[in-house]
Order: sequence, then structure tokens, then C-alpha cells
Amino acid sequence: DTEVTQTPKHLVMGMTNKKSLKCEQHMGHRAMYWYKQKAKKPPELMFVYSYEKLSINESVPSRFSPECPNSSLLNLHLHALQPEDSALYLCASSQVQAGRTDTQYFGPGTRLTVL
Amino acid sequence: GQNIDQPTEMTATEGAIVQINCTYQTSGFNGLFWYQQHAGEAPTFLSYNVLDGLEEKGRFSSFLSRSKGYSYLLLKELQMKDSASYLCAQRQSGGYNKLIFGAGTRLAVHP
Repeated sequence: DTEVTQTPKHLVMGMTNKKSLKCEQHMGHRAMYWYKQKAKKPPELMFVYSYEKLSINESVPSRFSPECPNSSLLNLHLHALQPEDSALYLCASSQVQAGRTDTQYFGPGTRLTVL
Repeated sequence: GQNIDQPTEMTATEGAIVQINCTYQTSGFNGLFWYQQHAGEAPTFLSYNVLDGLEEKGRFSSFLSRSKGYSYLLLKELQMKDSASYLCAQRQSGGYNKLIFGAGTRLAVHP
């Protein structure tokens, strides 16, 4: 089973709203990732969690706030977003040790529209 | 940052063979991944290379030359469902499994 699930599939929000994206995996992976993907562009890494601790923050604006409450769950809290933040937000997970086993498996994404 | 180059678009005929090339900067290299992404969907893992040579997996094969900073994805017996974007991604050394993706190659398979 290589399934990563994400909710919601679609989200429309205003610039003053607060919302959260959720990601879940039950593969026993201890690394989880958030990516942002604009149309016809590659995924861009935002955050990496390893053993529930934030390992990488790619200089992401503070209006995006990640949270990893346990080894299976990853959230992305959104507040005061801008229209240019509209994109597909992808979650991924992997094992932590180096080599083939740390292939990242992606969820289906949340398509976010900020009005 | 890392420059990963791959062709923007390719077209091919059903049943044919197509090769998608990818070049990358060799400094900090720690593995090369290929993903397939259909429009509006998540990337799905296709292959991984860290040593030189060819990795074969059914209709798909991937090749790596570390000294040349070069990889290719070979798709055989093309099917219409293979129409998708193919993303080359380099893992950087440093311990956090950080992937840098190329812009992707949009492949259109025609009857």
C-alpha cells in the first residue's frame, strides 16, 4: 500500500479566511513533505518533517503554518493568503533512511483557490 | 540552485519507443528519480537511479551516467494512457531527502 490521502480535494477561500489542509499516510513513513505546484510548473518543496520535527522550511511565508501532530498526520494551516497562493498543494511521505526506500509517494493534492 | 533540464514537449506514436532526456548539475548529487504526472493528478513514482547504468521495469527503463550528469527515461510500446508529464528529480546530498524537480516533459501519444 503506497497511499497518501489528502483532504479536501478542492478549497476556495477568501483572503481573510483561516483554513487547514490535511494529509495522512499509514505506511509507517517517518518523513512527510508539503509541496506547492502551479499550473504547468514542477512541484516546489515547502516543508519537510522528519520524525515529527520540522527539518526544512524553504523560506515559506508565515501565512503558511505546518503542523505534524503524529507520525501519520501532516497539516498545513492557512491564514491571510493571497490570490497568488492559488495552486495545487501536494503532500508526500517517505521512509527516512537513504537509498531506494526513501522514495517519496505523493497524495492526490488539494487544489486551492484564493479569491 | 540546481539546474535540471529536460525537453518541454515531445510527441510520439502509439506502439513506438520514446526517450526523454534529463541533465543535471553533478555537485551534491544523491540519486535521480522519474515521476509521471497526469494533468490535475499527483506525481506517481516510476524509477530511481543512484548508480550508473540501466534500470528496467516493464515497459519503462531509466538510465544514469553520473560523470555526465545525464539520465533518460525510455518508454516502450507506447500506449495512449502514457500521455502525461514526466518529471526528472534530483535528490540533493545533505540528509533530508530533498528533491529538486525539473520543469517536466509533456508527452503526447497519438494513434
